[in-house]
Amino acid sequence: GAGVSQSPSNKVTEKGKDVELRCDPISGHTALYWYRQSLGQGLEFLIYFQGNSAPDKSGLPSDRFSAERTGGSVSTLTIQRTQQEDSAVYLCASSPRPEDQETQYFGPGTRLLVL
Amino acid sequence: RKEVEQDPGPFNVPEGATVAFNCTYSNSASQSFFWYRQDCRKEPKLLMSVYSSGNEDGRFTAQLNRASQYISLLIRDSKLSDSATYLCVVTPLTTDSWGKLQFGAGTQVVVTP
Repeated sequence: GAGVSQSPSNKVTEKGKDVELRCDPISGHTALYWYRQSLGQGLEFLIYFQGNSAPDKSGLPSDRFSAERTGGSVSTLTIQRTQQEDSAVYLCASSPRPEDQETQYFGPGTRLLVL
Repeated sequence: RKEVEQDPGPFNVPEGATVAFNCTYSNSASQSFFWYRQDCRKEPKLLMSVYSSGNEDGRFTAQLNRASQYISLLIRDSKLSDSATYLCVVTPLTTDSWGKLQFGAGTQVVVTP
């Protein structure tokens, strides 16, 4: 079946611009996560959606970052007024149930470069 | 101090040899442990879970040492295809942290012919 998809695969933007990154989770997966991976660094948790519950935003690095998940499926991560330090790979993952931590399936990521 | 620390490597391993490396974690409440594999410019994929008693999956053996707060991964009879970055992942198993995996920065393994 189809895995997690993300778009765009690459994004180059100028400092100060807003960007939107999209994630399509695996159909039926109720849990969706966003992570960020900077060069040479581990994955950094950003935000977590579970069903209709309020998202866990505890990992968002600043108020320039926001995310939404419409209809319990597709999610969009928005970065406003991008900065050069926002350059990273943004990874989305989904799992059928949050307690199934072993079964987080990752998308291929969006590589963001802020000039 | 980072919550999950790994030797970045690279570990250069001749084909057929054995390689082992550790990962240390700082949160003693961590309950679940995993090894993920990440190929260059690819997404992470689950390699194996790490159980308290230790576990094997083919040529891969994972162990957990709670007293010293580290997990290990051993790869026997290394193949060229084992070349990758191995990410250590831990998480406390509490309802407010489900899914919030804590990743190490990874250990790079390079298997050479």
